[in-house]
Amino acid sequence: EVHLVESGGGLVRPGGSLRLSCAASAFTFSNYCMNWVRQAPGKGLEWVSSISWSSTWTYYADSVKGRFTISRDDAKNSLYLEMNSLRAEDTAVYYCARTLGIGNYYFDYWGQGTLITVSS
Amino acid sequence: QSVLTQPPSVSGTPGQRVTISCSGGSSNIASSTVSWYQQLPGTAPKLLIHSNNQRPSGVPDRFSGSKSGTSASLAISGLQSEDEADYYCAAWDDSLKGYVFGTGTKVTV
Repeated sequence: EVHLVESGGGLVRPGGSLRLSCAASAFTFSNYCMNWVRQAPGKGLEWVSSISWSSTWTYYADSVKGRFTISRDDAKNSLYLEMNSLRAEDTAVYYCARTLGIGNYYFDYWGQGTLITVSS
Repeated sequence: QSVLTQPPSVSGTPGQRVTISCSGGSSNIASSTVSWYQQLPGTAPKLLIHSNNQRPSGVPDRFSGSKSGTSASLAISGLQSEDEADYYCAAWDDSLKGYVFGTGTKVTV
């Protein structure tokens, strides 16, 4: 069965950096686009970023553009999110999710999420 | 910020039919397909409906989706206690060049 496992969450000071990872298994990772979606405590879902096959295209929400970088390593079946200049409003559970493409597609599998807390 | 608008909550009794609306615009719902996600308390979201009205394998046929113009809706018929969850719609937005989610609806049985 498709499995996505996020890691790298934790407590970080405002202005700090963190790198999230998402390990994928039980599907051909290179055939799928990958995404990050976050959910602040008690709030709704917010799309963060997407990356296409072969890392050809990347997309970011305005709220993280210039601060976050999405990347993937198909040899390691892994997705990453480099997060810099973190703010209190970045506090959330971060989910990785896969799509067949970017655009008119849907998130068919999600990881269990990893919590990022930005606080002094 | 959420671009797609949903009612904050809907409630019903067991066996009843409830609907959740999702209102968007020309750059998202009108020009893209809509998907719906169910999030049970303390768990990750799960795909419920894709391509406006398609159910993935394993999703009960009590759940159905539809889309018309700039709006979409999710219907749950034969409401059951295990349907108590938060529900979100989503679509690609051509203007924002990103995915947008609905504000979320809490269903209470």
